[in-house]
Amino acid sequence: GNSVTQMEGPVTLSEEAFLTINCTYTATGYPSLFWYVQYPGEGLQLLLKATKADDKGSNKGFEATYRKETTSFHLEKGSVQVSDSAVYFCALVNDYKLSFGAGTTVTVRA
Amino acid sequence: NAGVTQTPKFRILKIGQSMTLQCTQDMNHNYMYWYRQDPGMGLKLIYYSVGAGITDKGEVPNGYNVSRSTTEDFPLRLELAAPSQTSVYFCASSYQEGYTFGSGTRLTVV
Repeated sequence: GNSVTQMEGPVTLSEEAFLTINCTYTATGYPSLFWYVQYPGEGLQLLLKATKADDKGSNKGFEATYRKETTSFHLEKGSVQVSDSAVYFCALVNDYKLSFGAGTTVTVRA
Repeated sequence: NAGVTQTPKFRILKIGQSMTLQCTQDMNHNYMYWYRQDPGMGLKLIYYSVGAGITDKGEVPNGYNVSRSTTEDFPLRLELAAPSQTSVYFCASSYQEGYTFGSGTRLTVV
């Protein structure tokens, strides 16, 4: 079956630090991969996506590259801000259904 | 542009009570989903629907029922509430691989 494993949190960083959240997946076929973000008290918002191997998704300074050979989709941001404090979910879609990782809580301190 | 609307936002139920979580979307999406979010567990799929009149079980369907009489509405029914159903519930809809989430319903069963 499909599964997503992402780095456990919580992660606490200072402003302008580099952020990496690891994500690996197991799936049949070649699923599209996603990162979603959930700000406190809100629902999930799409942060970025990639639909095939070697694609790079990017948005708001975040990037992730679809690595088929390592079945990974790690999220990176070069310089985080306090406003990036949120829970980040890695996900894949297969047969129209999203499967999520457990989520990683990121806190950025000023 | 309302997107996906969930009601209520919060609810406290007593053990054994029943309730319906409402979900409506105005994007004419055929696919709709119900997820529950437990701390540190990510989102788990409860039920999904690929169109009016068609529903199917996800990963964790026990204790829940759904119906899909129209494209717009996808209510989730809890018949005999149990403490294990304390969670945050998210409804979502999708077209191709674009998913839109509601803002969630926080349910506590006491």
